[in-house]
Amino acid sequence: QQQVKQSPQSLIVQKGGISIINCAYENTAFDYFPWYQQFPGKGPALLIAIRPDVSEKKEGRFTISFNKSAKQFSLHIMDSQPGDSATYFCAASPQGGSEKLVFGKGTKLTVNP
Amino acid sequence: DARVTQTPRHKVTEMGQEVTMRCQPILGHNTVFWYRQTMMQGLELLAYFRNRAPLDDSGMPKDRFSAEMPDATLATLKIQPSEPRDSAVYFCASANSALPLHFGNGTRLTVT
Repeated sequence: QQQVKQSPQSLIVQKGGISIINCAYENTAFDYFPWYQQFPGKGPALLIAIRPDVSEKKEGRFTISFNKSAKQFSLHIMDSQPGDSATYFCAASPQGGSEKLVFGKGTKLTVNP
Repeated sequence: DARVTQTPRHKVTEMGQEVTMRCQPILGHNTVFWYRQTMMQGLELLAYFRNRAPLDDSGMPKDRFSAEMPDATLATLKIQPSEPRDSAVYFCASANSALPLHFGNGTRLTVT
């Protein structure tokens, strides 16, 4: 059973465009929602995270939007750059931290110059 | 810049052989995780430790996989005997009281 569903599987965006990746979950006990970025040959690295007490969190060009009632959250990358080309994973945890972190299947983002 | 160190980076072995992967967590981190990444299943949690004690290994095939922390600076994941279906990238991650996770660069295992 996939607890966090991520879409799309792959995404191609032009430089300067907006990249949007969506995730949905079912477990209402989830209360920590991080996004990880992974480059080829590297491990995932924490990009940005949100807790359900806020509906949006912004860090630079990266924004998480969170809809608790719909059990959905999304990552928006503004002014996408070729250097943003990577695989992005959403995740969720029921214990407010990284224990029992459940990952989505990932989205491969390609930003064309 | 503190980082999680995993060795080896690549391992090719024949079916039936024993494989040992090692991880040096970030100094001061008390929680260590082992994940497996495949195209089909994505990132799966295999096991994790806190203060060297195993807390959960329910994601790990018990008959052939074992995970240990001989000391605070070393975590090991062992597969014996290895099978082709074990081919994957194995990641170690560490954290200070579970927030946030810092991943190593993984061990790419190929079992022929």
